[in-house]
Amino acid sequence: GNSVTQMEGPVTLSEEAFLTINCTYTATGYPSLFWYVQYPGEGLQLLLKATKADDKGSNKGFEATYRKETTSFHLEKGSVQVSDSAVYFCALGDTGANSKLTFGKGITLSVRP
Amino acid sequence: DTGVSQDPRHKITKRGQNVTFRCDPISEHNRLYWYRQTLGQGPEFLTYFQNEAQLEKSRLLSDRFSAERPKGSFSTLEIQRTEQGDSAMYLCASSPGQGIGYFGPGTRLTVT
Repeated sequence: GNSVTQMEGPVTLSEEAFLTINCTYTATGYPSLFWYVQYPGEGLQLLLKATKADDKGSNKGFEATYRKETTSFHLEKGSVQVSDSAVYFCALGDTGANSKLTFGKGITLSVRP
Repeated sequence: DTGVSQDPRHKITKRGQNVTFRCDPISEHNRLYWYRQTLGQGPEFLTYFQNEAQLEKSRLLSDRFSAERPKGSFSTLEIQRTEQGDSAMYLCASSPGQGIGYFGPGTRLTVT
């Protein structure tokens, strides 16, 4: 079945540091890949997505590239801000008609001033 | 477009009681999903509706759980004879066809 593996957390960075959060997946077919973010006290929000191999999703300075050869979708940001402190979830979308999502465990990012 | 709403936001109940949660999706979204999220884990799929039809149920959805979407708009998730292991955040999401899911704020259930 489908599965998503995220690197262990939590991660603590200083403001303006470079961020990488690793995500690898196992799936049949060619799923869509997503990063969701959950800010404190808020619901899950879509951060970015990629629907096919070599696609790059980007939003709010975050980027992730769909790498089929390494089955990865690592999240990166060149310069994090305190406001980026949140829980980040990598997810893949089922290739069947239901489009249900399979999530990783999530990783907590804390950015200190 | 007011987003996906869920009610209540928090529910504390005693073991053995029944609880019901409501989800109001974004209007005109024909797909609606329920997920469950426990502490330190990502959300796990429970069930999926397309309009009023429940098309898929996870093995996580025991026979104590039932979900409905009677008119293809709002949905309810009922848990009968709650157990402490049911304590979790219950998330609802909706989407316009095979698009991304927009999530609600969740209902946090605590079973004492």
